Amino acid sequence: DAMVIQNPRYQVTQFGKPVTLSCSQTLNHNVMYWYQQKSSQAPKLLFHYYDKDFNNEADTPDNFQSRRPNTSFCFLDIRSPGLGDAAMYLCATSREGSGSFLNEQFFGPGTRLTVL
Amino acid sequence: LAKTTQPISMDSYEGQEVNITCSHNNIATNDYITWYQQFPSQGPRFIIQGYKTKVTNEVASLFIPADRKSSTLSLPRVSLSDTAVYYCLVGDSNSGYALNFGKGTSLLVTP
Repeated sequence: DAMVIQNPRYQVTQFGKPVTLSCSQTLNHNVMYWYQQKSSQAPKLLFHYYDKDFNNEADTPDNFQSRRPNTSFCFLDIRSPGLGDAAMYLCATSREGSGSFLNEQFFGPGTRLTVL
Repeated sequence: LAKTTQPISMDSYEGQEVNITCSHNNIATNDYITWYQQFPSQGPRFIIQGYKTKVTNEVASLFIPADRKSSTLSLPRVSLSDTAVYYCLVGDSNSGYALNFGKGTSLLVTP
């Protein structure tokens, strides 16, 4: 089945130790997104790729970086994780919109990051 | 991006119809209204999207009045498995695909 896969599902890192989360998709969608979701809060968009064009949200900290080497894969790098970065990180994909229509986003299961 | 306002929580019994209303007073002409459902420890799942009037699919209906300043997600005959958080979002592809999730409505369905 076509899907969005996130690895690992659970990640533990130490304060200040760089960590990379990965996302892959078999949907061949050209738009990919990274969201951060803290406990009992709504998902917060960090950035998205339209093909290889990177779009950073204005309030996304510089500590968060992303790479998209090809259509299928996207990575989230946290350069120096702090305790406040502990959260669920969600990857999503979509086709480009048709005119103004926003196409459905397909979410992965998420990676839960713990910072010790 | 248009801001949305929803009730924080709702309770329902199994078998009842549930209507969740979302306010989006500053919706733009090109904006579409989309609803997502999220279960604990899972990513959100698309439910339905609409622009005006009424949209229905196998899961829900979406009612949008003529002024489009609000919308109502209707879930017919809910079951226990419909217990989840429901998010209303407003936006369009011209805004760069940014999706701002509001606080969502936590629906609890009990027997």
